[in-house]
Amino acid sequence: DARVTQTPRHKVTEMGQEVTMRCQPILGHNTVFWYRQTMMQGLELLAYFRNRAPLDDSGMPKDRFSAEMPDATLATLKIQPSEPRDSAVYFCASGPLPTTATTGELFFGEGSRLTVL
Amino acid sequence: GDSVTQMEGPVTLSEEAFLTINCTYTATGYPSLFWYVQYPGEGLQLLLKATKADDKGSNKGFEATYRKETTSFHLEKGSVQVSDSAVYFCALSRWGSNYKLTFGKGTLLTVNP
Repeated sequence: DARVTQTPRHKVTEMGQEVTMRCQPILGHNTVFWYRQTMMQGLELLAYFRNRAPLDDSGMPKDRFSAEMPDATLATLKIQPSEPRDSAVYFCASGPLPTTATTGELFFGEGSRLTVL
Repeated sequence: GDSVTQMEGPVTLSEEAFLTINCTYTATGYPSLFWYVQYPGEGLQLLLKATKADDKGSNKGFEATYRKETTSFHLEKGSVQVSDSAVYFCALSRWGSNYKLTFGKGTLLTVNP
């Protein structure tokens, strides 16, 4: 049963610490997205990769956030230093290359719940 | 830029009641439209989609029709069940934005027995 795997599922850390979240997209999927979900802002797109190349990271605070895909089986989202306002659920999603038939079909992981104290 | 507006929740219904969740969008060109569902503690799952005007997406008893003239994609179900309790997100994507999904804020549905 193919699915997107995210680690860690839960993370509690102190302000100023580095946080790294990892995502294993579904094998064969060429697009990877990072979303952040909070009660106040809803779902926000942070970064978007296609064939491992970053296409859009305009939603990401550049001074503290970074997103990479070192290979096709791993995407990372790093926060350094972390702040309390970063507390949220971070979702990774992957999908096939968009075509008329597949456009918008994203498969979401279960999320990484981050709490920064 | 692209945007999606969906009705504010929460929505609370009794089992077997009729459900409508309104969704309207703003986008240039011809976006594809989607409904995603998020059950407690889980990620989002695609519920249904429509890729062109007048298409009807359907799945698990839910339906939505792509209405270009009213820029709407309202979600409906004739008889809800307790297991339908979840957050529902309307979304769009289009070629001009690299097919990235733009989501509405979500609507929490609670169905009571």
